[in-house]
Amino acid sequence: KQEVTQIPAALSVPEGENLVLNCSFTDSAIYNLQWFRQDPGKGLTSLLLIQSSQREQTSGRLNASLDKSSGRSTLYIAASQPGDSATYLCAVKPAGVVMDSSYKLIFGSGTRLLVRP
Amino acid sequence: DGGITQSPKYLFRKEGQNVTLSCEQNLNHDAMYWYRQDPGQGLRLIYYSQIVNDFQKGDIAEGYSVSREKKESFPLTVTSAQKNPTAFYLCASSTPGQGYNEQFFGPGTRLTVL
Repeated sequence: KQEVTQIPAALSVPEGENLVLNCSFTDSAIYNLQWFRQDPGKGLTSLLLIQSSQREQTSGRLNASLDKSSGRSTLYIAASQPGDSATYLCAVKPAGVVMDSSYKLIFGSGTRLLVRP
Repeated sequence: DGGITQSPKYLFRKEGQNVTLSCEQNLNHDAMYWYRQDPGQGLRLIYYSQIVNDFQKGDIAEGYSVSREKKESFPLTVTSAQKNPTAFYLCASSTPGQGYNEQFFGPGTRLTVL
């Protein structure tokens, strides 16, 4: 059964710091992995999508890497800003044998990030 | 503007009542999904639909029902059989089929049972 874990659950850093958020998953059979941002009481905003054949994706100050064999992904945020404060969720799309399992995303519980001015 | 809308933003329910959450999308996506989020946790799939007039149970379907009469609409009813319905509900959509498609999310509805 696929499980997704995000550590730490919460992180507080001073403005300007580069930081790394971690995501691990137990089954390497995935189609893709997505990183989302969620502001309090809001929906999810997709940040980066990495297909299983890719190693990384970049968007502005964000860089996400994927190592399927070790079941790990990292989200790197450069030069953090107070506006980056939010909860960051990762989710995998399983590529299991059972058809139904490939339709849903399996989510981690998120890392709550606070960037202090 | 293409996107997903959910209404209402906040919903209060008395015990024993059924309530319906609305989800509409104008992205021309065939597939739609309902997830539930509890505090400090990730999202769990309630129901999904790959095409009009067809839908499938997700991991936590008990106490919920859905319909898919139109491509752009996928309403979720929380019935009185759902024992702990207080949560944040998120709707999503994507192009159909398994595999590499990306899911896009709406702003969510927060349901509170009084």
